[in-house]
Amino acid sequence: AQSVTQLGSHVSVSEGALVLLRCNYSSSVPPYLFWYVQYPNQGLQLLLKYTSAATLVKGINGFEAEFKKSETSFHLTKPSAHMSDAAEYFCAVIPSGGYQKVTFGTGTKLQVIP
Amino acid sequence: KAGVTQTPRYLIKTRGQQVTLSCSPISGHRSVSWYQQTPGQGLQFLFEYFSETQRNKGNFPGRFSGRQFSNSRSEMNVSTLELGDSALYLCASGSGQGAIRAMNTEAFFGQGTRLTVV
Repeated sequence: AQSVTQLGSHVSVSEGALVLLRCNYSSSVPPYLFWYVQYPNQGLQLLLKYTSAATLVKGINGFEAEFKKSETSFHLTKPSAHMSDAAEYFCAVIPSGGYQKVTFGTGTKLQVIP
Repeated sequence: KAGVTQTPRYLIKTRGQQVTLSCSPISGHRSVSWYQQTPGQGLQFLFEYFSETQRNKGNFPGRFSGRQFSNSRSEMNVSTLELGDSALYLCASGSGQGAIRAMNTEAFFGQGTRLTVV
């Protein structure tokens, strides 16, 4: 069964510092991978997605993620944190090859310190 | 283009009652997925509909059901409510078919319905 692990339920960074949110997946076949962001009392917004094209994926708001098959990872990064980046971030996975159920990680709350 | 609309935004129900939540997808989108979000279990997939047919289902008891109408609007029903059903219920619409394509073509989420069971 597919699963996705997000290390760190809470991450704090200073404004202007590097943001690194970790996501590891378990799947025998490289899956489709996604990062979503959720602001308080809002739904989820897609940041970026990996669908077996380029391994380095650029998303909205300056975020990017790199798919590393050898490490089964899909970590989310942003070079310089803004106060507006404070939110909860979810990694999601769907196995490739057919209709499958989506599995979300447990989420990482990002705090940006001024 | 209007986004995904979920109604109501907030709901308080008593244990044992039943509840119906509504989701209107983005115009032209034919796929609607439902998710339950709780602090303890996180985000869990409930089911997905495409062209009035349930295409995929998560691991939830039969008390959770849904349907989709010809205009792609979807409803989710929970019968015999339990305290543990208190959650944020999110709906997502997509233009594709199936969970993969719906998300591959960017699933758009509504703001959710906050259900509290007392």
